[in-house]
Amino acid sequence: DAGVIQSPRHEVTEMGQEVTLRCKPISGHNSLFWYRQTMMRGLELLIYFNNNVPIDDSGMPEDRFSAKMPNASFSTLKIQPSEPRDSAVYFCASSLMGTGGLTSYGYTFGSGTRLTVV
Amino acid sequence: RKEVEQDPGPFNVPEGATVAFNCTYSNSASQSFFWYRQDCRKEPKLLMSVYSSGNEDGRFTAQLNRASQYISLLIRDSKLSDSATYLCVVKEDTGFQKLVFGTGTRLLVSP
Repeated sequence: DAGVIQSPRHEVTEMGQEVTLRCKPISGHNSLFWYRQTMMRGLELLIYFNNNVPIDDSGMPEDRFSAKMPNASFSTLKIQPSEPRDSAVYFCASSLMGTGGLTSYGYTFGSGTRLTVV
Repeated sequence: RKEVEQDPGPFNVPEGATVAFNCTYSNSASQSFFWYRQDCRKEPKLLMSVYSSGNEDGRFTAQLNRASQYISLLIRDSKLSDSATYLCVVKEDTGFQKLVFGTGTRLLVSP
């Protein structure tokens, strides 16, 4: 299994530019999560999808952030326009959730995208 | 109050030492708990689940105290390779039961 695949690994962009982060979850997983990690705030959940449907986007910082999951094997997180305070590591994770909730093995994370906005 | 709280450390210990981390959680209805490990500039990875009766995996022992709402991780005979950040994770018991991560405890094992 290739695991959760994220691209790009690193992104440096200028303030005001659009940034798109990509994620391919593990095949067969039905839930996908976007997290942001900074030294100050740790891991913050931005949004999560279940069966390709956004369930909770209350963690999305503001309207500049948007996420889509057009099918079970692909998701994007877009920031437009980007700002220096968006600089962080963005992780995508996937999981298989049954009707009773999370399975015992938790989430599998991708390697992350390190975003720097200058 | 944060949902999951951890001492950020760092904990500096020599090889071979025993070290323990604690974590407290605020939601008394939480049912599932985990420890994740995160190496520097890497993604978090599941270390072990935490069961009510306590569980052990080699040198690692996890304990749950529901009455006091805390979770512990004990590492015996520390190795240099144990140096990492250890994240305490609690599953919400409502809605879609997402995982809530603590900010982590950093461990440094020295020769």
